Amino acid sequence: AQTVTQSQPEMSVQEAETVTLSCTYDTSENNYYLFWYKQPPSRQMILVIRQEAYKQQNATENRFSVNFQKAAKSFSLKISDSQLGDTAMYFCAFSNSGTYKYIFGTGTRLKVLA
Amino acid sequence: KAGVTQTPRYLIKTRGQQVTLSCSPISGHRSVSWYQQTPGQGLQFLFEYFSETQRNKGNFPGRFSGRQFSNSRSEMNVSTLELGDSALYLCASSLASGHNEQFFGPGTRLTVL
Repeated sequence: AQTVTQSQPEMSVQEAETVTLSCTYDTSENNYYLFWYKQPPSRQMILVIRQEAYKQQNATENRFSVNFQKAAKSFSLKISDSQLGDTAMYFCAFSNSGTYKYIFGTGTRLKVLA
Repeated sequence: KAGVTQTPRYLIKTRGQQVTLSCSPISGHRSVSWYQQTPGQGLQFLFEYFSETQRNKGNFPGRFSGRQFSNSRSEMNVSTLELGDSALYLCASSLASGHNEQFFGPGTRLTVL
C-alpha cells in the first residue's frame, strides 16, 4: 500500500531563519507526483509546491524548495527566510497518475516565532 | 473565478442521524475529491468523482456515500452517524486528477453528539 509519513508533528522556527520539514513515502510505482500543501489557521488549504517524480531537478517556488530523493523515497520541504505568515499545518501528499487518489501525511504544525 | 464552496460550514447532529454535505467546484473543474480531516490522522481520502462517475474510493464504511451531478457539483452523505464521524470534511476540485493541483474548499465542520 502507498503511504506518506511525516515524522515531525510540530516544529517551530525563528522569523527569518530556515526550516526543513520531512516527508517520506512508500510506493512501488515509478511515475507519480508529490505535493506540499499548507493549511493556515482557520483558512483554506493551498498548494505550496509540486514535484514530478520523473524530474530529477528539485522544484522551487520563491522561498520554498524541496529536496527530492527518489531512491530514498524522501521529499522534504525547505522554507527559507521564514515569515510569520508561514505559520500553518503543512501536509505532504502523493498521487500516482491514473489512480485518481491523493494520499496525505498526518501533517506538521509549523509555528514561526517573532 | 470563484473558489470551491462547501455548504453548510458547520453542522451539529446526534448519533443515528444522517447528513448531506455539498460541494461546488471551481468552474470548469470536473474532478471532485472528498476528505475527512481529524487531528492526528491528517486527511483521509473518501472518494473521487469525475463526470458523475466515482473513480476511486477510500477505506470507509458503506455509511459514507457520494455522488456528482452533471454540473460537477458533488454531495456526500453519511448515514447512521457515529461519534467518531465528527471531523472537518474537505472537498477539493481539479481539472482532472492524478497530477493536477487540487483546490480545496473551506470545509464543513461536523459535530456528532
